[in-house]
Amino acid sequence: QQQVKQSPQSLIVQKGGISIINCAYENTAFDYFPWYQQFPGKGPALLIAIRPDVSEKKEGRFTISFNKSAKQFSLHIMDSQPGDSATYFCAASKVIAARQLTFGSGTQLTVLP
Amino acid sequence: ETGVTQTPRHLVMGMTNKKSLKCEQHLGHNAMYWYKQSAKKPLELMFVYNFKEQTENNSVPSRFSPECPNSSHLFLHLHTLQPEDSALYLCASRPPGGVYGYTFGSGTRLTVV
Repeated sequence: QQQVKQSPQSLIVQKGGISIINCAYENTAFDYFPWYQQFPGKGPALLIAIRPDVSEKKEGRFTISFNKSAKQFSLHIMDSQPGDSATYFCAASKVIAARQLTFGSGTQLTVLP
Repeated sequence: ETGVTQTPRHLVMGMTNKKSLKCEQHLGHNAMYWYKQSAKKPLELMFVYNFKEQTENNSVPSRFSPECPNSSHLFLHLHTLQPEDSALYLCASRPPGGVYGYTFGSGTRLTVV
Protein backbone atom coordinates (compact mmCIF):
# COMPACT_ATOMS: atom_id res chain seq x y z
CA GLN A 1 0.00 0.00 0.00
CA GLN A 2 2.95 2.31 0.56
CA GLN A 3 4.84 1.61 -2.67
CA VAL A 4 5.49 4.04 -5.48
CA LYS A 5 6.63 2.36 -8.69
CA GLN A 6 8.71 4.43 -11.09
CA SER A 7 9.72 3.77 -14.69
CA PRO A 8 11.90 3.74 -16.67
CA GLN A 9 15.04 3.16 -14.64
CA SER A 10 17.08 5.07 -17.21
CA LEU A 11 16.23 7.30 -20.12
CA ILE A 12 18.30 8.78 -22.93
CA VAL A 13 16.83 11.67 -24.90
CA GLN A 14 18.21 13.93 -27.61
CA LYS A 15 18.48 17.65 -26.92
CA GLY A 16 15.17 19.30 -27.69
CA GLY A 17 13.18 16.12 -27.19
CA ILE A 18 10.52 15.29 -24.60
CA SER A 19 11.47 13.26 -21.54
CA ILE A 20 8.66 11.33 -19.86
CA ILE A 21 8.94 9.55 -16.51
CA ASN A 22 6.03 7.62 -15.03
CA CYS A 23 5.01 6.72 -11.50
CA ALA A 24 2.18 4.65 -10.05
CA TYR A 25 1.02 4.56 -6.47
CA GLU A 26 -1.21 2.24 -4.47
CA ASN A 27 -2.38 4.16 -1.43
CA THR A 28 -5.54 6.09 -2.31
CA ALA A 29 -5.01 8.28 0.76
CA PHE A 30 -2.00 9.93 -0.86
CA ASP A 31 -2.73 13.52 -1.82
CA TYR A 32 0.66 15.08 -2.46
CA PHE A 33 2.92 14.10 -5.35
CA PRO A 34 6.28 15.86 -5.65
CA TRP A 35 9.14 15.27 -8.04
CA TYR A 36 12.74 15.66 -6.92
CA GLN A 37 15.79 16.29 -9.11
CA GLN A 38 19.22 15.10 -8.06
CA PHE A 39 22.49 16.07 -9.70
CA PRO A 40 25.63 13.98 -9.07
CA GLY A 41 27.17 14.71 -5.68
CA LYS A 42 24.11 16.64 -4.50
CA GLY A 43 21.03 15.80 -2.51
CA PRO A 44 17.60 15.59 -4.17
CA ALA A 45 15.89 18.97 -4.55
CA LEU A 46 12.18 19.61 -4.97
CA LEU A 47 11.41 20.31 -8.63
CA ILE A 48 7.62 20.46 -8.90
CA ALA A 49 4.65 19.03 -7.01
CA ILE A 50 0.93 18.46 -7.58
CA ARG A 51 -2.17 17.89 -5.48
CA PRO A 52 -4.97 15.64 -6.81
CA ASP A 53 -7.48 18.49 -7.28
CA VAL A 54 -5.84 19.28 -10.64
CA SER A 55 -4.88 17.00 -13.52
CA GLU A 56 -1.88 18.97 -14.69
CA LYS A 57 0.64 21.44 -13.34
CA LYS A 58 3.21 23.25 -15.43
CA GLU A 59 6.30 25.16 -14.35
CA GLY A 60 8.44 26.27 -17.25
CA ARG A 61 9.49 23.23 -19.26
CA PHE A 62 8.38 20.82 -16.52
CA THR A 63 4.83 19.45 -16.38
CA ILE A 64 3.22 16.94 -14.04
CA SER A 65 0.25 15.02 -15.41
CA PHE A 66 -1.97 13.33 -12.84
CA ASN A 67 -4.55 10.58 -13.37
CA LYS A 68 -6.39 9.95 -10.12
CA SER A 69 -8.52 7.06 -11.35
CA ALA A 70 -5.47 5.20 -12.65
CA LYS A 71 -3.39 6.17 -9.63
CA GLN A 72 -0.63 7.36 -11.92
CA PHE A 73 1.34 10.54 -12.41
CA SER A 74 4.10 11.50 -14.76
CA LEU A 75 6.78 14.13 -15.31
CA HIS A 76 7.19 15.61 -18.76
CA ILE A 77 10.28 17.65 -19.59
CA MET A 78 9.76 19.62 -22.77
CA ASP A 79 12.67 20.79 -24.95
CA SER A 80 15.06 18.67 -22.85
CA GLN A 81 18.52 20.16 -22.36
CA PRO A 82 21.86 18.56 -21.41
CA GLY A 83 21.64 20.48 -18.12
CA ASP A 84 18.52 18.44 -17.30
CA SER A 85 20.68 15.31 -17.08
CA ALA A 86 20.10 14.11 -13.54
CA THR A 87 18.28 11.49 -11.51
CA TYR A 88 14.59 12.15 -10.99
CA PHE A 89 12.57 10.73 -8.10
CA CYS A 90 8.82 10.78 -7.79
CA ALA A 91 7.29 10.64 -4.35
CA ALA A 92 3.88 10.46 -2.72
CA SER A 93 2.37 11.09 0.66
CA LYS A 94 -0.53 12.39 2.61
CA VAL A 95 -0.05 16.10 3.18
CA ILE A 96 -1.30 16.15 6.73
CA ALA A 97 0.09 13.97 9.49
CA ALA A 98 2.42 12.07 7.16
CA ARG A 99 5.74 11.12 8.72
CA GLN A 100 7.73 10.90 5.52
CA LEU A 101 7.54 10.82 1.75
CA THR A 102 7.43 7.49 -0.06
CA PHE A 103 9.91 7.65 -2.93
CA GLY A 104 10.07 5.88 -6.26
CA SER A 105 13.25 4.10 -7.28
CA GLY A 106 14.55 6.93 -9.47
CA THR A 107 15.15 7.52 -13.18
CA GLN A 108 18.55 8.46 -14.51
CA LEU A 109 17.99 10.90 -17.38
CA THR A 110 20.71 11.62 -19.92
CA VAL A 111 20.10 14.34 -22.49
CA LEU A 112 22.50 14.09 -25.41
CA PRO A 113 23.79 17.34 -26.95
CA GLU B 1 22.52 25.73 0.13
CA THR B 2 19.20 24.12 0.92
CA GLY B 3 19.13 25.01 4.59
CA VAL B 4 20.12 21.48 5.57
CA THR B 5 23.88 21.27 6.05
CA GLN B 6 25.79 18.01 6.20
CA THR B 7 29.41 17.57 7.26
CA PRO B 8 31.79 16.25 6.22
CA ARG B 9 31.07 16.17 2.48
CA HIS B 10 33.46 13.28 1.96
CA LEU B 11 34.75 10.67 4.39
CA VAL B 12 37.10 7.75 3.96
CA MET B 13 37.35 5.38 6.88
CA GLY B 14 38.82 2.02 7.68
CA MET B 15 36.65 -0.83 8.88
CA THR B 16 37.91 -0.47 12.45
CA ASN B 17 37.45 3.30 12.68
CA LYS B 18 34.76 5.24 14.49
CA LYS B 19 33.44 8.38 12.84
CA SER B 20 30.33 10.55 12.94
CA LEU B 21 28.26 12.31 10.32
CA LYS B 22 26.55 15.56 11.23
CA CYS B 23 23.40 17.18 9.92
CA GLU B 24 22.15 20.63 10.91
CA GLN B 25 19.05 22.58 9.91
CA HIS B 26 17.75 25.96 11.03
CA LEU B 27 14.53 25.88 9.02
CA GLY B 28 12.32 25.38 12.04
CA HIS B 29 11.70 21.79 11.01
CA ASN B 30 10.87 19.24 13.68
CA ALA B 31 11.45 15.93 11.89
CA MET B 32 14.79 14.70 10.59
CA TYR B 33 15.79 11.66 8.55
CA TRP B 34 18.82 9.64 7.53
CA TYR B 35 18.78 8.01 4.09
CA LYS B 36 21.33 5.76 2.42
CA GLN B 37 21.81 6.06 -1.32
CA SER B 38 23.92 3.38 -2.98
CA ALA B 39 24.85 3.42 -6.65
CA LYS B 40 21.91 2.49 -8.90
CA LYS B 41 19.65 1.75 -5.93
CA PRO B 42 16.60 3.53 -4.53
CA LEU B 43 16.78 5.84 -1.56
CA GLU B 44 16.78 3.72 1.60
CA LEU B 45 15.20 5.29 4.66
CA MET B 46 17.31 4.44 7.71
CA PHE B 47 16.05 6.45 10.68
CA VAL B 48 13.31 8.94 11.45
CA TYR B 49 13.29 11.40 14.32
CA ASN B 50 10.29 13.51 15.29
CA PHE B 51 10.79 16.15 17.97
CA LYS B 52 14.08 14.44 18.94
CA GLU B 53 12.38 11.08 19.43
CA GLN B 54 13.25 8.18 17.16
CA THR B 55 10.05 7.03 15.50
CA GLU B 56 11.44 4.65 12.92
CA ASN B 57 14.41 2.33 12.50
CA ASN B 58 14.25 0.39 9.27
CA SER B 59 16.19 -2.68 10.41
CA VAL B 60 19.48 -0.83 10.23
CA PRO B 61 22.55 -2.73 11.52
CA SER B 62 23.75 -1.66 14.95
CA ARG B 63 27.05 -0.44 13.49
CA PHE B 64 24.99 2.67 12.56
CA SER B 65 23.91 4.59 15.64
CA PRO B 66 21.82 7.78 15.30
CA GLU B 67 21.64 10.61 17.77
CA CYS B 68 19.29 13.58 17.80
CA PRO B 69 20.12 15.94 20.70
CA ASN B 70 17.62 18.59 19.53
CA SER B 71 15.32 19.31 16.61
CA SER B 72 18.09 21.11 14.69
CA HIS B 73 20.88 18.55 14.85
CA LEU B 74 21.17 14.94 13.83
CA PHE B 75 24.20 12.69 13.98
CA LEU B 76 25.00 9.27 12.57
CA HIS B 77 27.72 7.49 14.50
CA LEU B 78 29.62 4.87 12.54
CA HIS B 79 31.74 2.01 13.84
CA THR B 80 33.10 -1.24 12.47
CA LEU B 81 31.66 -0.58 9.03
CA GLN B 82 31.87 -2.88 6.03
CA PRO B 83 32.90 -1.97 2.46
CA GLU B 84 29.27 -2.44 1.36
CA ASP B 85 28.34 0.48 3.63
CA SER B 86 30.08 2.81 1.19
CA ALA B 87 27.35 5.12 -0.12
CA LEU B 88 25.99 8.65 -0.12
CA TYR B 89 24.32 9.34 3.23
CA LEU B 90 21.61 11.95 3.01
CA CYS B 91 19.95 13.89 5.77
CA ALA B 92 16.50 15.39 5.27
CA SER B 93 14.10 17.40 7.39
CA ARG B 94 10.50 18.54 7.21
CA PRO B 95 8.37 21.14 8.97
CA PRO B 96 5.73 20.38 11.60
CA GLY B 97 2.43 18.95 10.46
CA GLY B 98 3.23 17.63 7.00
CA VAL B 99 5.58 17.00 4.12
CA TYR B 100 5.58 20.35 2.36
CA GLY B 101 9.11 21.65 2.43
CA TYR B 102 10.73 18.22 2.76
CA THR B 103 14.36 19.23 2.27
CA PHE B 104 17.54 17.26 1.71
CA GLY B 105 21.12 18.12 2.49
CA SER B 106 23.90 17.56 -0.05
CA GLY B 107 25.00 14.36 1.60
CA THR B 108 28.20 12.78 2.88
CA ARG B 109 30.00 10.52 0.44
CA LEU B 110 31.32 7.69 2.61
CA THR B 111 33.97 5.25 1.46
CA VAL B 112 34.87 2.31 3.69
CA VAL B 113 38.26 0.76 2.93
